[in-house]
Amino acid sequence: QMQLVQSGPEVKRPGTSVTLSCKGSGSRFNSSAVQWVRQARGQGLEWIGWIVIGSGNTNVAQNLHDRVSISRDESTDTVHMEVRSLKSEDTAVYYCAAAPASDWLLWDRWGQGALVTVSS
Amino acid sequence: DVQMTQSPSSLSASVGDTVTITCRASGDIYKSLDWYQQTAGKPPKLLLSAATRLTDGVPSRFGGSVSGTEYTLTVTNLQPADSATYYCQQFYRVPYTFGQGTKLEIK
Repeated sequence: QMQLVQSGPEVKRPGTSVTLSCKGSGSRFNSSAVQWVRQARGQGLEWIGWIVIGSGNTNVAQNLHDRVSISRDESTDTVHMEVRSLKSEDTAVYYCAAAPASDWLLWDRWGQGALVTVSS
Repeated sequence: DVQMTQSPSSLSASVGDTVTITCRASGDIYKSLDWYQQTAGKPPKLLLSAATRLTDGVPSRFGGSVSGTEYTLTVTNLQPADSATYYCQQFYRVPYTFGQGTKLEIK
């Protein structure tokens, strides 16, 4: 059973960058897609973007595409997401989730979440 | 972008009741929709994929249906553990947008 383990909480100053990681375990990871979702405190879920592990193809939400990059390292079964030029409104819990290439709708594996706090 | 309008935003029901939550898509999304359950401090949990397909291990009290662009999550025989916030997410077109969420309280 594949599991996703995310990197730990981060505290950052406005204008700086943060890189979050999402490490998969199990053979399914290399044939998966991974999406990133965030949730501000007390708010709903916001889709950030996704990456197809095998091809490396990515897609990021239009409102974030100039500040967010998603990449993968197949040698370590890890997906990274960098958020640049951080703003206070980027403060949120960030989740990664995975679906198998055979079924892009089966988003049944989620990381534990990582809190990013942006504050001066 | 595909807009997902979820309703109601909150509801309260009793143990044993049946509730329905609806997501209306701004266009046809051809059943490319998942339903999640989220409790405080936890990641979302997949309940149904492709609008009607129950995830392994999820009780059959949870069901999904589609009528045109309206997607419905039905929970029968409500249990205290069903107290949570429920979200839909469409996967037809990026950005893969979520509904606003429905907070379900069990009285």
